[in-house]
Amino acid sequence: EDQVTQSPEALRLQEGESSSLNCSYTVSGLRGLFWYRQDPGKGPEFLFTLYSAGEEKEKERLKATLTKKESFLHITAPKPEDSATYLCAVHPSGSARQLTFGSGTQLTVLP
Amino acid sequence: DVKVTQSSRYLVKRTGEKVFLECVQDMDHENMFWYRQDPGLGLRLIYFSYDVKMKEKGDIPEGYSVSREKKERFSLILESASTNQTSMYLCASEGKGGYEQYFGPGTRLTVT
Repeated sequence: EDQVTQSPEALRLQEGESSSLNCSYTVSGLRGLFWYRQDPGKGPEFLFTLYSAGEEKEKERLKATLTKKESFLHITAPKPEDSATYLCAVHPSGSARQLTFGSGTQLTVLP
Repeated sequence: DVKVTQSSRYLVKRTGEKVFLECVQDMDHENMFWYRQDPGLGLRLIYFSYDVKMKEKGDIPEGYSVSREKKERFSLILESASTNQTSMYLCASEGKGGYEQYFGPGTRLTVT
C-alpha cells in the first residue's frame, strides 16, 4: 500500500532560523512528488513537482529535494508569512490520476 | 494561472437536506477531483472524473454522488446530508500533461 509520512507534525521557528521538513514515501513506483502550502481555511496552493531522485526545485526561501525514499522542503531564513501547513503528495506509477497525501507539517514562524 | 472556483465558502445545512457543491475550472483541464479534509485524517478522495459524463469512485464515496455535464464543471451531491459529512470540501483539477492538481478555495460545510 502506498504511504506518505510527513515529519515533524508541527514546527515552530524563530524568524531567520532555517530548517527542513521531511516527507518519506513508500510507493511501488513514483511518477511524481508534489509539495503544497495550505493556509488556514483555504485550499492547498501548488508549490513544486519533483520527478526523479536528485532533482531540486527552488522558489524564494523554499527548496525541495528528492531522493528515492524521501523529499525535503528546506526553508531558508523563514519569515512569519511562511507560516502555513505544508503538504506532500505522491503520484504512484500505475495509479490512474490519484494522489496520496501526507498529513502535513504545520509550520509557525515567530517574529 | 489556473483558477478553480467553488460555489460557496461556507454552507450550513440541516440533516436530511440535499446539498450541491459546485466547482468550476477555467484551464480546460480533463481531470477533476473532490476531496474532503478533516483534522487528523488529511485529504481523502471522494470522487474523480476523467472526462465529461465519466466518474470514478475514490476512497470514501459512500453518501456522495457527482455530476460532470460540462468539461469545466464538476458537482458534488450529498443526497441526504448527515452530521458526519460536516467537513471542508476541496475541488481540484489536473491537466493532461502533468500530474499536479490545482485546488479551489474550499467549502466549509456544517450539517446540523
